[in-house]
Amino acid sequence: NAGVTQTPKFQVLKTGQSMTLQCAQDMNHEYMSWYRQDPGMGLRLIHYSVGAGITDQGEVPNGYNVSRSTTEDFPLRLLSAAPSQTSVYFCASSRGGYTDTQYFGPGTRLTVL
Amino acid sequence: DQQVKQNSPSLSVQEGRISILNCDYTNSMFDYFLWYKKYPAEGPTFLISISSIKDKNEDGRFTVFLNKSAKHLSLHIVPSQPGDSAVYFCAASPTGNQFYFGTGTSLTVIP
Repeated sequence: NAGVTQTPKFQVLKTGQSMTLQCAQDMNHEYMSWYRQDPGMGLRLIHYSVGAGITDQGEVPNGYNVSRSTTEDFPLRLLSAAPSQTSVYFCASSRGGYTDTQYFGPGTRLTVL
Repeated sequence: DQQVKQNSPSLSVQEGRISILNCDYTNSMFDYFLWYKKYPAEGPTFLISISSIKDKNEDGRFTVFLNKSAKHLSLHIVPSQPGDSAVYFCAASPTGNQFYFGTGTSLTVIP
């Protein structure tokens, strides 16, 4: 099992550009989520999904879109990047119950100039 | 507003001694708590958890204590080893799907 994979590992964008951060898991997990990690802020939940076709907002959803067309994939879209979105992004997955262990990907380091 | 707080950004401990990492929370609806460990350039990995119906959970060298009345949890690592050097995050969840993380404590275990 590859676990949770994220691409790209690094990305530099200019303000206003759009891009999609990819996340995939091969553990047949129902629950997937996106976090961002900023210095002094810990990890903050952006969006999450409890299964294919179902998504919901987390703590800091503004500026991000998600969709979940398959169990395996949960892409995060930045429609118009802003410098405030410079961060490290982590994707995570779990079987489903909130007491189930979340497995995190290695992260994507995004810089918006 | 940070609902889960780790007030010590860093901690240094001698190898073999006890490491105690602390975490405070403000939301009384939180009923499940977790600790994650994170190495540089990697994602967090799950370490140990505790539900609100317990006050202690132990897994090998790692023990988590929960004091609901004080809204405080702590992670004890005994004995500490150099490989334990990492950033430790506590996280909490009310019944549901949202998790709230603390800001992390960087632990250094000195050989």
